Amino acid sequence: DAGVIQSPRHEVTEMGQEVTLRCKPISGHDYLFWYRQTMMRGLELLIYFNNNVPIDDSGMPEDRFSAKMPNASFSTLKIQPSEPRDSAVYFCASSSGTRIGTQYFGPGTRLLVL
Amino acid sequence: QQQVKQSPQSLIVQKGGISIINCAYENTAFDYFPWYQQFPGKGPALLIAIRPDVSEKKEGRFTISFNKSAKQFSLHIMDSQPGDSATYFCAAPLIYNQGGKLIFGQGTELSVKP
Repeated sequence: DAGVIQSPRHEVTEMGQEVTLRCKPISGHDYLFWYRQTMMRGLELLIYFNNNVPIDDSGMPEDRFSAKMPNASFSTLKIQPSEPRDSAVYFCASSSGTRIGTQYFGPGTRLLVL
Repeated sequence: QQQVKQSPQSLIVQKGGISIINCAYENTAFDYFPWYQQFPGKGPALLIAIRPDVSEKKEGRFTISFNKSAKQFSLHIMDSQPGDSATYFCAAPLIYNQGGKLIFGQGTELSVKP
């Protein structure tokens, strides 16, 4: 099992540019979560999906952020336009509905917006 | 917004000592209280978890103590080792039927000195 795969691992971009983060969940998992981690705010849940359907996006900071899950094996988190305050580590996690509370995290994408 | 309050924010322990991290939660419908461990540059990973029908769970050097009436639970690391140096997060499910959505504590950065 390859675990949750995220790409890119590092992203440096300039303010105003579009950023797309990608995630491949563990095969068979029906929940997918996007988190953001910063020193100031800790680990924040941005949005999560169940069976490819967004369930709760209340953590998405503003309209510049959007997330999609076109199929069970792929999700994207897009920031457009990006701002320096978006600099953070973004994690994708997946879980199975049969094991509530056990989430498997990817290695994260470290985003720096200049 | 319901929260999980974690303390201390950072902890320094000598090798062989006991590390204790505490969490308190608010009024939630719960089923499961996991602890996650995060090493630098990695995503959080499930370490140990407890269900509210037991007061203690032990796995090797790691023990969770649970106090349902006080709405508190703690992680104890016995015989702490430098390899235990990491950030630890407690978590609680927000509402059971929200499909495993977890509220994470703020994290405790543990440093075990040799």
